[in-house]
Order: sequence, then C-alpha cells, then structure tokens
Amino acid sequence: QVHLVQSGSELKKPGASLKLSCKASGYILTSEVMNWVRQAPGQGPEWMGWINTKTGTPTYAQGFTGRFVFSLDTSVNTAYLQISGLKSEDTAIYYCARGGKYLSDGSAYPKFDYWGLGTLVTVSS
Amino acid sequence: QSVVTQPPSASGSPGQRVTISCSGSSFNIGSNHVYWYQHLPGTAPKLLIDRSSQRPSGVPARFSGSKSGSSASLAISGLRSEDEADYYCATWDDSLSGVVFGGGTKLTVL
Repeated sequence: QVHLVQSGSELKKPGASLKLSCKASGYILTSEVMNWVRQAPGQGPEWMGWINTKTGTPTYAQGFTGRFVFSLDTSVNTAYLQISGLKSEDTAIYYCARGGKYLSDGSAYPKFDYWGLGTLVTVSS
Repeated sequence: QSVVTQPPSASGSPGQRVTISCSGSSFNIGSNHVYWYQHLPGTAPKLLIDRSSQRPSGVPARFSGSKSGSSASLAISGLRSEDEADYYCATWDDSLSGVVFGGGTKLTVL
C-alpha cells in the first residue's frame, strides 16, 4: 500500500530556511515522478514543480525558482523540499504528490495518484 | 487568480445530482486532459477523475467527468453526506508550461 509520509509542522521566522521531507512507502521512490504542491490559506493549490526521481533532475514552476530546491535521498526512499529566505507569503500547507508524466514535447499529464497529508509551514516574526 | 476557474461553492441535498464546472482556455483545458481531486479536511487529496472522464479504480460510479471545448465538469449523482469536501480541477497549461489548479469548489451536502 502506497503512503507518502510528510514531516511535521514548522514555525519559522522570516529569512529562515527549512527542509521538508516526504517519505515514500509501498513502492520504490525512483519508479514515479514526485511533485510538490503548495496551498496557501483560503487559496487553491499551486503546483511548485516536479523532480525526476530516476535522475534527480528538478523542474520548477514559474514563481518557484531561486529559493526552492527539490532533492532526493533514494537510500531512504525520501523526497525533500528546501525553502530558503522564508517570507510571510510562504505560509501554507506543502504537499508532496506522486505521479504525472512530463514529456519532452512539452506536454504533460498531471495525474497525481497519491498525496501526502501535507506539512503546515507558518512564517511569522 | 488561477487561469482555470471554479465556482467557490456548490450544494445539494442527499440523493441529488450536483455539477461542478471548471472553465479555462485553449491553452489549458481546450488542449489538455482535466483531472479532478477530492479533498476532505485533514486527509490527503484523492484523485477522482483521470484524463477528463476516467474513474480510477475504487472511485464510485456516482462520480463522472466530462470535457467540452475549454470547459470541464464533475458530476456527482446520488449525493451523500460523505461527499462534503473541496473539489479541485487541474490541467496542464501550454503557455505557462505548468500544471494549473482551479481555485476549488466547496461542496456542502444539505
């Protein structure tokens, strides 16, 4: 049975950094793409991008370049999201979501078949 | 503001049929499949509709999806109290080269 277990809530001050984890169980991490999705309070979800779990190559959505880093540790079947220079507007729930196909012709099929429960990140002074 | 638009709320009585719309453009829904997700508070979002109209294994037949032009719809028939949740559409946007989600529709079962 597939599960994505995310790390616990974080309370950070503006300017700080954090690293969120998403541990996959029930399947091998490198068999499926992993996505990150942000949902700010009262807003719809925002796709942050995806990481090719076979090569470790990340692709970041518009608006999520520079301060955001996707990474993997395949030895522990875990994906990570690092955010640096935290801002109040980063306050949100961050989800990892498995799946999707991103093709070289620029097309994509965002079929996210399993999601984590999310990690609440609060940025406040 | 999302490039795909959903009504913020919808409601229906048990047993009724409700429809949730998702409106976009030729850059997104008009040229790509739509995916629907159900999100109950405190749980992980769940894939409800794949490739605009396909139900993944385990999703009841009460849920159906359709797409016409630059709009898509999710229909729920035989409404049940446990259907009370937030529903999101998602698709690929060719101009943004990214996945776009609708703002979500909160379904209330009266």
